[in-house]
Amino acid sequence: QVQLVQSGAEVKKPGASVTVSCKASGYTFTSYYLHWVRQAPGQGLEWVGIINPSGGGRVYAQKFQGRVTMTRDTSTSTVYMELSSLRSEDTAVFYCARGGATLNVSPNYWGQGTMVTVSS
Amino acid sequence: QSVLTQPPSASGTPGQRVTISCSGSRSNIVSNFVNWYQQLPGTAPKLLIYSNNQRPSGVPDRFSGSKSGASASLAISGLQSEDEADYYCAAWDDSLNGVVFGGGTKLTVL
Repeated sequence: QVQLVQSGAEVKKPGASVTVSCKASGYTFTSYYLHWVRQAPGQGLEWVGIINPSGGGRVYAQKFQGRVTMTRDTSTSTVYMELSSLRSEDTAVFYCARGGATLNVSPNYWGQGTMVTVSS
Repeated sequence: QSVLTQPPSASGTPGQRVTISCSGSRSNIVSNFVNWYQQLPGTAPKLLIYSNNQRPSGVPDRFSGSKSGASASLAISGLQSEDEADYYCAAWDDSLNGVVFGGGTKLTVL
């Protein structure tokens, strides 16, 4: 069965960077895009960006461009999301979620989420 | 302000039928498939409906989705207490080149 297992909770200071990992299993890693979605406490879902595990191509939401970097490691079926210049407003749960075989497919399977807390 | 518009809340009594709307535009709902998600408190979103009206295996047939023009709807029939959750719609947006979500609807079972 499709599984996405994310790394554990992080606490960071303002201005720092955080990297969240997402290990995929149960399907062919390079056949499906992977999304990242943010959810601030008590708020709705916000799309961060998407990566193609096959070729590594990425599309980032304009709001996060310049601060987010998504990468993948095909040898371990893992994708990574690094967010830099953290501020208190970045405190949120970050989810990775599998998309489709093409770019324009919304997420279907979701990881368990990773809480990132930004606090001085 | 979310690109897709959902009512912030909805409610119903056990056994009732409830619908949740999701309004968008030509660049998202008209042009692309709509997904619906259910999020229980403290958990990750769960796919409820994909490709406008398809149910993943394991999702009860009490849940159904539809799309017409720039709007989509999620219907829940035979409402149960365990349906109390937040519900989100989503679609790819060709103009923004990314996924857009509705603001979420909190469903209360009275």
